[in-house]
Amino acid sequence: AQSVTQLGSHVSVSEGALVLLRCNYSSSVPPYLFWYVQYPNQGLQLLLKYTSAATLVKGINGFEAEFKKSETSFHLTKPSAHMSDAAEYFCAVSDGGSQGNLIFGKGTKLSVKP
Amino acid sequence: SQTIHQWPATLVQPVGSPLSLECTVEGTSNPNLYWYRQAAGRGLQLLFYSVGIGQISSEVPQNLSASRPQDRQFILSSKKLLLSDSGFYLCAWSVEGGGHEQFFGPGTRLTVL
Repeated sequence: AQSVTQLGSHVSVSEGALVLLRCNYSSSVPPYLFWYVQYPNQGLQLLLKYTSAATLVKGINGFEAEFKKSETSFHLTKPSAHMSDAAEYFCAVSDGGSQGNLIFGKGTKLSVKP
Repeated sequence: SQTIHQWPATLVQPVGSPLSLECTVEGTSNPNLYWYRQAAGRGLQLLFYSVGIGQISSEVPQNLSASRPQDRQFILSSKKLLLSDSGFYLCAWSVEGGGHEQFFGPGTRLTVL
């Protein structure tokens, strides 16, 4: 069965510092992987997705993620944090079924200090 | 382009009252539809999904139900709300089939008193 683990429920960085949010997955089939961002009292917005093309995936707002099969990881990074990046981030993996269900991690809340 | 709507945006209901939340999608046909709940500090919980009109699958046994009366309409209901039903309810859609991203609506904040 597919599963997702996000290490660290809270991450705090200074403005301008590197952002690294960790995601490890377990999948019995070639995975489709996703990162979403959620701002307070809003729905989730897709940041980027991996669908077996390039292993380094670029998304919106300067974020990118690298798929590493050997490490079963899909960590999210951004070179320089901005105050507007403060939000909750969710990693998700497709469950491999035709219903399109996604398995979500528990989320990581990112704080950005001035 | 595709858009997804949810209403109401916020709702305060007494325990034991009924519930109806509505979700509609525009700009696509035969989407997969999903209802999620976010309780405080508990991440996303998939409640129901639907791959077609009248086809509903439940992920978690509870006092909620879902219906899909039209291709792009998804309704979440309850006959009698419990305190534990409070939370942020999100509707999402994806293209039919598997392995695709889901697109989320703006959500409904439900408080049961």
